[in-house]
This record gives sequence, structure tokens and C-alpha cells, in this order.
Amino acid sequence: NAGVTQTPKFQVLKTGQSMTLQCAQDMNHEYMSWYRQDPGMGLRLIHYSVGAGITDQGEVPNGYNVSRSTTEDFPLRLLSAAPSQTSVYFCASSPPRGTGANYGYTFGSGTRLTVV
Amino acid sequence: GESVGLHLPTLSVQEGDNSIINCAYSNSASDYFIWYKQESGKGPQFIIDIRSNMDKRQGQRVTVLLNKTVKHLSLQIAATQPGDSAVYFCAESNAGNNRKLIWGLGTSLAVNP
Repeated sequence: NAGVTQTPKFQVLKTGQSMTLQCAQDMNHEYMSWYRQDPGMGLRLIHYSVGAGITDQGEVPNGYNVSRSTTEDFPLRLLSAAPSQTSVYFCASSPPRGTGANYGYTFGSGTRLTVV
Repeated sequence: GESVGLHLPTLSVQEGDNSIINCAYSNSASDYFIWYKQESGKGPQFIIDIRSNMDKRQGQRVTVLLNKTVKHLSLQIAATQPGDSAVYFCAESNAGNNRKLIWGLGTSLAVNP
């Protein structure tokens, strides 16, 4: 099924550990992004990419790295996990602007991360 | 600064009634608006969008209205069903911000049987 696939669905980390959240889409979308969602704070953009080889920071990038070596994949790396990074993480993709398609994002099902 | 806010954080309706969820935005340069539905434990799901050159757009049981004069966006759900219970987010973007979305905080819709 076409869509955005995120792995893992759940993860518990100890403070200081590093890990990578995986995101893959099979819709040939140029635009991909990572959000974190915390209670009462809505969705906050961490990093985004407008195409392979291009990434940029969102509003809360500290403590996270991304790369975009292919159109399909957009992994999010936590360099040294902190309790403040406990959250639900969503990856999203959307088609190129100007193609006539809607620009609505397709979201993955999320990764629930707990840092202890 | 730029913001997208919601008038009502929670909304409770009876099954079969129509629901109206409101959203205010402050960036007059925004040219694209989207409504998303998020069910518990799931990612946001696209419902309907509207561009700034339109005032109204209809989908299946949903209608989005855009009033650029007062910077107001609304989502109307006809004949609300229990499956419509979710958190609804509005979001805005413009061509000048590299297609990043600015999100509202969400409105929780509860449908009573």
C-alpha cells in the first residue's frame, strides 16, 4: 500500500543513547518532514527536506539530525537522547507544488519515544 | 508573529447534528489551508484543503469556508457520526515559506450517540 512507513512504532531509550527513526515513502514525494507532537503543543516541525540532498531546520531542530540521500527515505537521528525528547514523532510527505495535486501531507503512523 | 489558532479547544455534538470547527490565522500572505483529522494513536489524516482564491470547497460531508477579510477558516461536518470523533487541526502555508505548514493546536470533537 502506498504511503509513509515509520519504524519503530515504540521505543524506550536511556538518557544519552542515540538512535535513528526511520521514515520511507513510496509515492515519489519530493517534500518530507519530521514533526514531534506533545500534549497541548500541537505539531512542531523538527527538520524538513524539499528533495534528495536538501535538508533544512524547522522550529525545534536541536538534538536531531537528518539526511536525505534518496527521494524515498528521510531518517531522523537523535544524537544523545534526553528526557525532553520524549514525544510522539511523525514523518510526513507531500507532492511537488504546482503539479495540480493537493499539497496535503501524508503522515506516517508515528513513533512513540520515551527517554528515561 | 504568525499563528494559527482555534476558537474552541473542545466541541461536543449529538450524532446526526452538523459540526462547525473554527480556526483563525494571522498571516495574510498564506495562500493554502488544510484541515486534518487525527484519531487517537494515529497520524493526522488529510480531510480537505482550500486555496486563497476560493471561498468555499466541498467534499464528502465536509465543507471548508475561507473568509480572508477576517482571516477565518471553518470546517463544517454534516450529519456528524461517532467515527468523526477526533482532534481536528487547521494548517496554513504560503509559497514564501518553502511550503512549511503552520499548525493550530487542534480542536477535540466528541460525538455523543
